[in-house]
Amino acid sequence: DAGVIQSPRHEVTEMGQEVTLRCKPISGHNSLFWYRQTMMRGLELLIYFNNNVPIDDSGMPEDRFSAKMPNASFSTLKIQPSEPRDSAVYFCASSNRDTEAFFGQGTRLTVV
Amino acid sequence: KQEVTQIPAALSVPEGENLVLNCSFTDSAIYNLQWFRQDPGKGLTSLLLIQSSQREQTSGRLNASLDKSSGRSTLYIAASQPGDSATYLCAVDAGNMLTFGGGTRLMVKP
Repeated sequence: DAGVIQSPRHEVTEMGQEVTLRCKPISGHNSLFWYRQTMMRGLELLIYFNNNVPIDDSGMPEDRFSAKMPNASFSTLKIQPSEPRDSAVYFCASSNRDTEAFFGQGTRLTVV
Repeated sequence: KQEVTQIPAALSVPEGENLVLNCSFTDSAIYNLQWFRQDPGKGLTSLLLIQSSQREQTSGRLNASLDKSSGRSTLYIAASQPGDSATYLCAVDAGNMLTFGGGTRLMVKP
Protein backbone atom coordinates (compact mmCIF):
# COMPACT_ATOMS: atom_id res chain seq x y z
CA ASP A 1 0.00 0.00 0.00
CA ALA A 2 1.24 3.50 -0.80
CA GLY A 3 0.15 4.80 2.57
CA VAL A 4 -2.19 7.70 3.21
CA ILE A 5 -2.18 9.98 0.18
CA GLN A 6 -3.02 13.65 0.43
CA SER A 7 -3.36 16.26 -2.28
CA PRO A 8 -2.34 18.86 -3.00
CA ARG A 9 0.95 18.99 -1.08
CA HIS A 10 0.95 22.77 -1.17
CA GLU A 11 -1.87 25.23 -1.70
CA VAL A 12 -1.66 29.00 -1.87
CA THR A 13 -4.94 30.81 -2.19
CA GLU A 14 -6.41 34.24 -1.70
CA MET A 15 -8.62 35.10 1.22
CA GLY A 16 -12.24 34.38 0.45
CA GLN A 17 -11.57 31.55 -1.97
CA GLU A 18 -12.78 28.01 -1.49
CA VAL A 19 -10.14 25.40 -0.68
CA THR A 20 -10.58 21.64 -0.97
CA LEU A 21 -8.09 19.21 0.52
CA ARG A 22 -8.19 15.55 -0.44
CA CYS A 23 -7.25 12.32 1.26
CA LYS A 24 -7.06 8.67 0.27
CA PRO A 25 -6.75 6.46 3.35
CA ILE A 26 -4.98 3.12 3.54
CA SER A 27 -7.13 0.40 2.05
CA GLY A 28 -8.94 -1.59 4.73
CA HIS A 29 -8.73 1.09 7.40
CA ASN A 30 -12.11 2.01 8.83
CA SER A 31 -11.20 5.24 10.64
CA LEU A 32 -10.10 8.50 9.07
CA PHE A 33 -8.95 11.63 10.83
CA TRP A 34 -8.28 15.21 9.78
CA TYR A 35 -5.75 17.17 11.85
CA ARG A 36 -4.42 20.70 11.65
CA GLN A 37 -0.91 21.60 12.78
CA THR A 38 0.32 25.10 13.62
CA MET A 39 3.28 26.35 15.58
CA MET A 40 1.05 27.96 18.16
CA ARG A 41 -1.44 25.14 18.77
CA GLY A 42 0.38 22.00 17.70
CA LEU A 43 -1.70 19.13 16.31
CA GLU A 44 -5.45 19.54 16.66
CA LEU A 45 -8.05 16.97 15.69
CA LEU A 46 -10.66 18.54 13.44
CA ILE A 47 -12.94 15.61 12.67
CA TYR A 48 -12.90 11.86 12.46
CA PHE A 49 -14.92 9.31 10.54
CA ASN A 50 -15.62 5.69 11.36
CA ASN A 51 -16.90 3.52 8.52
CA ASN A 52 -17.43 6.70 6.48
CA VAL A 53 -19.69 8.25 9.13
CA PRO A 54 -18.60 11.45 10.94
CA ILE A 55 -18.28 10.58 14.63
CA ASP A 56 -16.86 13.69 16.21
CA ASP A 57 -16.56 17.07 14.50
CA SER A 58 -16.21 19.13 17.67
CA GLY A 59 -12.76 20.20 16.58
CA MET A 60 -13.97 21.87 13.41
CA PRO A 61 -13.27 25.55 14.07
CA GLU A 62 -16.39 27.02 12.55
CA ASP A 63 -19.01 26.64 9.86
CA ARG A 64 -16.56 27.60 7.16
CA PHE A 65 -15.05 24.14 7.56
CA SER A 66 -16.76 21.01 6.29
CA ALA A 67 -15.63 17.44 5.69
CA LYS A 68 -17.07 14.55 3.74
CA MET A 69 -16.28 10.90 3.25
CA PRO A 70 -18.44 9.64 0.38
CA ASN A 71 -16.77 6.21 0.37
CA ALA A 72 -14.12 4.21 2.17
CA SER A 73 -11.33 5.38 -0.10
CA PHE A 74 -11.81 9.14 -0.26
CA SER A 75 -12.36 12.13 1.99
CA THR A 76 -12.35 15.89 1.53
CA LEU A 77 -11.91 18.83 3.84
CA LYS A 78 -13.33 22.05 2.50
CA ILE A 79 -12.84 25.61 3.72
CA GLN A 80 -15.23 28.21 2.32
CA PRO A 81 -14.45 31.07 2.50
CA SER A 82 -10.81 30.75 3.49
CA GLU A 83 -9.10 33.25 5.82
CA PRO A 84 -5.42 33.95 6.54
CA ARG A 85 -5.76 32.37 10.00
CA ASP A 86 -6.57 29.06 8.32
CA SER A 87 -2.96 28.86 7.14
CA ALA A 88 -1.52 25.64 8.56
CA VAL A 89 -0.50 22.13 7.62
CA TYR A 90 -3.49 19.82 7.35
CA PHE A 91 -2.92 16.12 7.92
CA CYS A 92 -5.09 13.17 7.16
CA ALA A 93 -4.59 9.89 9.03
CA SER A 94 -6.21 6.48 8.93
CA SER A 95 -6.30 3.43 11.19
CA ASN A 96 -8.30 0.48 12.39
CA ARG A 97 -9.52 0.50 15.95
CA ASP A 98 -6.74 0.00 18.50
CA THR A 99 -4.07 -0.15 15.81
CA GLU A 100 -1.44 2.28 14.62
CA ALA A 101 -2.55 5.48 12.99
CA PHE A 102 -0.77 6.31 9.75
CA PHE A 103 -0.44 9.87 8.56
CA GLY A 104 -0.21 11.39 5.13
CA GLN A 105 2.49 13.88 4.18
CA GLY A 106 0.15 16.79 4.77
CA THR A 107 -1.11 19.75 2.79
CA ARG A 108 0.57 23.05 3.54
CA LEU A 109 -2.11 25.72 3.12
CA THR A 110 -1.26 29.38 2.84
CA VAL A 111 -4.09 31.91 2.63
CA VAL A 112 -2.95 35.38 1.60
CA LYS B 1 -10.80 16.27 28.60
CA GLN B 2 -7.57 14.38 27.94
CA GLU B 3 -4.44 16.52 28.09
CA VAL B 4 -1.04 15.31 26.99
CA THR B 5 2.21 16.98 28.03
CA GLN B 6 5.71 16.31 26.80
CA ILE B 7 8.87 17.27 28.64
CA PRO B 8 11.33 18.58 27.68
CA ALA B 9 10.12 20.71 24.79
CA ALA B 10 13.61 20.66 23.29
CA LEU B 11 16.72 18.60 23.89
CA SER B 12 20.23 18.76 22.49
CA VAL B 13 22.67 15.90 23.11
CA PRO B 14 26.00 14.72 21.70
CA GLU B 15 26.04 11.69 19.48
CA GLY B 16 26.16 8.38 21.31
CA GLU B 17 24.19 9.41 24.37
CA ASN B 18 21.25 7.45 25.66
CA LEU B 19 18.25 9.66 26.26
CA VAL B 20 14.71 9.61 27.60
CA LEU B 21 11.73 11.58 26.39
CA ASN B 22 8.74 11.96 28.68
CA CYS B 23 5.03 12.02 28.04
CA SER B 24 2.26 12.43 30.61
CA PHE B 25 -1.50 12.28 30.24
CA THR B 26 -4.33 13.27 32.56
CA ASP B 27 -6.91 10.53 31.96
CA SER B 28 -5.67 6.96 32.46
CA ALA B 29 -8.66 5.45 30.62
CA ILE B 30 -6.82 4.93 27.35
CA TYR B 31 -6.83 2.27 24.66
CA ASN B 32 -3.26 2.78 23.57
CA LEU B 33 -0.40 5.24 23.30
CA GLN B 34 1.60 5.89 20.19
CA TRP B 35 4.97 7.55 19.64
CA PHE B 36 5.63 9.37 16.38
CA ARG B 37 8.57 11.05 14.75
CA GLN B 38 8.20 14.15 12.60
CA ASP B 39 10.98 15.56 10.41
CA PRO B 40 10.79 19.24 9.40
CA GLY B 41 8.21 19.80 6.69
CA LYS B 42 7.16 16.15 6.72
CA GLY B 43 4.34 14.04 8.00
CA LEU B 44 4.31 11.88 11.11
CA THR B 45 5.97 8.48 11.11
CA SER B 46 4.72 5.93 13.61
CA LEU B 47 7.51 4.55 15.81
CA LEU B 48 5.84 2.44 18.46
CA LEU B 49 2.34 1.57 19.61
CA ILE B 50 1.71 0.39 23.16
CA GLN B 51 -1.66 -1.14 23.94
CA SER B 52 -3.19 -0.29 27.32
CA SER B 53 -2.54 -3.84 28.53
CA GLN B 54 1.16 -3.65 27.70
CA ARG B 55 4.03 -2.20 29.71
CA GLU B 56 6.55 -1.63 26.95
CA GLN B 57 7.41 -2.02 23.29
CA THR B 58 10.80 -2.17 21.60
CA SER B 59 11.94 -1.47 18.08
CA GLY B 60 15.64 -1.43 17.40
CA ARG B 61 17.26 1.28 19.53
CA LEU B 62 13.87 2.54 20.71
CA ASN B 63 12.03 1.38 23.80
CA ALA B 64 8.75 2.84 24.96
CA SER B 65 7.18 2.18 28.33
CA LEU B 66 3.69 2.81 29.61
CA ASP B 67 2.46 3.27 33.18
CA LYS B 68 -1.25 3.86 32.87
CA SER B 69 -1.90 4.28 36.57
CA SER B 70 0.49 7.20 36.82
CA GLY B 71 -0.38 8.59 33.39
CA ARG B 72 3.16 8.37 32.05
CA SER B 73 5.09 7.05 29.10
CA THR B 74 8.76 7.29 28.25
CA LEU B 75 10.60 6.85 24.98
CA TYR B 76 14.16 5.64 25.46
CA ILE B 77 16.61 6.10 22.59
CA ALA B 78 19.86 4.20 22.91
CA ALA B 79 23.14 5.31 21.37
CA SER B 80 21.65 8.38 19.71
CA GLN B 81 22.72 9.34 16.18
CA PRO B 82 22.49 12.60 14.21
CA GLY B 83 19.82 10.94 12.07
CA ASP B 84 17.61 10.74 15.17
CA SER B 85 17.25 14.53 15.11
CA ALA B 86 13.54 15.26 14.72
CA THR B 87 10.47 16.15 16.74
CA TYR B 88 9.03 13.27 18.74
CA LEU B 89 5.33 13.28 19.56
CA CYS B 90 3.31 11.05 21.82
CA ALA B 91 -0.39 10.57 21.28
CA VAL B 92 -3.01 8.96 23.46
CA ASP B 93 -6.00 7.09 22.09
CA ALA B 94 -8.90 7.40 24.51
CA GLY B 95 -11.73 6.48 22.20
CA ASN B 96 -10.53 6.06 18.63
CA MET B 97 -9.19 9.60 18.47
CA LEU B 98 -5.60 10.57 19.17
CA THR B 99 -4.74 13.47 21.48
CA PHE B 100 -1.21 14.73 20.92
CA GLY B 101 1.37 16.26 23.17
CA GLY B 102 3.30 19.31 22.06
CA GLY B 103 6.35 17.27 21.10
CA THR B 104 10.02 17.18 22.03
CA ARG B 105 12.40 18.66 19.49
CA LEU B 106 15.57 16.55 19.58
CA MET B 107 18.92 17.58 18.18
CA VAL B 108 21.76 15.05 18.19
CA LYS B 109 25.08 16.72 17.50
CA PRO B 110 27.88 14.84 15.71
